[in-house]
Amino acid sequence: NAGVTQTPKFRVLKTGQSMTLLCAQDMNHEYMYWYRQDPGMGLRLIHYSVGEGTTAKGEVPDGYNVSRLKKQNFLLGLESAAPSQTSVYFCASSYPGQEGEQYFGPGTRLTVT
Amino acid sequence: DQQVKQNSPSLSVQEGRISILNCDYTNSMFDYFLWYKKYPAEGPTFLISISSIKDKNEDGRFTVFLNKSAKHLSLHIVPSQPGDSAVYFCALGTASKLTFGTGTRLQVTL
Repeated sequence: NAGVTQTPKFRVLKTGQSMTLLCAQDMNHEYMYWYRQDPGMGLRLIHYSVGEGTTAKGEVPDGYNVSRLKKQNFLLGLESAAPSQTSVYFCASSYPGQEGEQYFGPGTRLTVT
Repeated sequence: DQQVKQNSPSLSVQEGRISILNCDYTNSMFDYFLWYKKYPAEGPTFLISISSIKDKNEDGRFTVFLNKSAKHLSLHIVPSQPGDSAVYFCALGTASKLTFGTGTRLQVTL
């Protein structure tokens, strides 16, 4: 079992460029999440999904879009990157009703110049 | 408006002693309370949790305490070991979502 994997691990973008971060999980989890972690801010929820074909906004959704076309994959898109989106991005997944126990990927470090 | 606060950014404890990490929250809507541990260049990993109907939960060296009236959560690690050195996040949950604290960096010294 690979658990939760994220692609890529590192990326540098110029302002205005677009990119997609891929999250994959092999645990058959219903729920998937995207977070960003910034110094002194903890992890903040960007978007999440409670099942294939569904998505919802989290705490900081502006500037991001997501898609959950397959149960095992959750994509995070940046259409026009901004320096404020420089961050470490974490994907997580969980079963429903497991009361918060989420499994995290290793993270993607994104720098926007 | 930070709903979940960990007021100590860092903590240094000697090996064998007790580590106490604290977390305060402002909103009474949370149903479950968790602690995650994070090593550098890795994702957070679940450590221990407690539901809103309990005030204490133990798992080996780790104990989580919940004081709902004070809106306060704490994690006790005893005895502390060098391998416990990491960043610890409290996370409070409701409706399938978690709200994380800002984290406390624990260093366990020899």
